[in-house]
Amino acid sequence: RKEVEQDPGPFNVPEGATVAFNCTYSNSASQSFFWYRQDCRKEPKLLMSVYSSGNEDGRFTAQLNRASQYISLLIRDSKLSDSATYLCVVADHGGATNKLIFGTGTLLAVQP
Amino acid sequence: EPEVTQTPSHQVTQMGQEVILRCVPISNHLYFYWYRQILGQKVEFLVSFYNNEISEKSEIFDDQFSVERPDGSNFTLKIRSTKLEDSAMYFCASKLGLAGGQETQYFGPGTRLLVL
Repeated sequence: RKEVEQDPGPFNVPEGATVAFNCTYSNSASQSFFWYRQDCRKEPKLLMSVYSSGNEDGRFTAQLNRASQYISLLIRDSKLSDSATYLCVVADHGGATNKLIFGTGTLLAVQP
Repeated sequence: EPEVTQTPSHQVTQMGQEVILRCVPISNHLYFYWYRQILGQKVEFLVSFYNNEISEKSEIFDDQFSVERPDGSNFTLKIRSTKLEDSAMYFCASKLGLAGGQETQYFGPGTRLLVL
């Protein structure tokens, strides 16, 4: 089983749509989870951390289900500027420096 | 807002040549990382560095790779004898390192390395 698994997409949605991305991780001992956004040929940028209680930042909502080892990201009222690859990321606390383990990313294309 | 910087933005080299990729982490950060992303693939961890030594490295980080913090600001990745399969985007990242694992790693803009 891959360490972090995501549906690669692409997800093609119209402006204003609600879209949800899912991710599963294999290490049940993982404790830190993130969604990063990556634009084409650019660096990953933190979108939001994911907490057990779930968290919301404007149009973005992240959820964590530890029992199922499942993370989700919901984007409401999609904008053209949301078009990017969304990376599910887990920090590996088994090592000394909490390296990040990335999923392959889910490509979102928001259409006008 | 402080940011991680990397130079050069692009590097083209011949197979077998040595390359040095440079990074300037955020100034008060304590943990430094190199990741790479082969075109069309996921971001992969290479190495982490703390307290002037390697803390952790992946199986990708073999004897051809080395890292150094030659002064108080730069953090470099050297590839001694490049191979075609080293062609990738190389990202440097840094983290403050005071609160355990929850902290954000901030990424530089990357160096695109092409080995011919």
